[in-house]
Amino acid sequence: GAGVSQSPSNKVTEKGKDVELRCDPISGHTALYWYRQSLGQGLEFLIYFQGNSAPDKSGLPSDRFSAERTGGSVSTLTIQRTQQEDSAVYLCASSLVAGGRETQYFGPGTRLLVL
Amino acid sequence: LAKTTQPISMDSYEGQEVNITCSHNNIATNDYITWYQQFPSQGPRFIIQGYKTKVTNEVASLFIPADRKSSTLSLPRVSLSDTAVYYCLVGDSGGSYIPTFGRGTSLIVHP
Repeated sequence: GAGVSQSPSNKVTEKGKDVELRCDPISGHTALYWYRQSLGQGLEFLIYFQGNSAPDKSGLPSDRFSAERTGGSVSTLTIQRTQQEDSAVYLCASSLVAGGRETQYFGPGTRLLVL
Repeated sequence: LAKTTQPISMDSYEGQEVNITCSHNNIATNDYITWYQQFPSQGPRFIIQGYKTKVTNEVASLFIPADRKSSTLSLPRVSLSDTAVYYCLVGDSGGSYIPTFGRGTSLIVHP
């Protein structure tokens, strides 16, 4: 079956503009995760959803970052008033349910460059 | 929240066995240990998972001592294609789960 898909694959934007990143999880997966990976760095957890709710938003770097998931499927990560330090690869993953025992399946990521 | 510590990098040669150890001193009773592999320009992918003792699959083995404060990923007879970053992830199935991947271990396999 289809894996996790993300769009766009690449995004170049100007400082101060808003961007929306989209994630389509594997069908039937109720948990969805967002991560950020800066060049040469590890994965930084941002937020996860179990169904449509996000139990913990403390990983979001600032109030410029928000995420939503409607219908228990597609999720959108929005970055408002982008800054150059937001440049990174944004990865999305999904799993059957949330939890450390569940395998996370990752998408290819969205490479964001803020000029 | 279990924090993990791994070596930043390792080097090996084709055909050798590679062992990468992850420390997780404050692992909780219900926590599982999962390893992921990430190639450049790709998202991580699952390698192996365990709770205690030893787990083996077609690509790797995972050794977990009785106190579970560490785990060792063993890759037998590595090839150039095993060059990647390897992450150790610890977490449970209950409550609010915050996955912490850290920086991982960058493995370079030389000819």
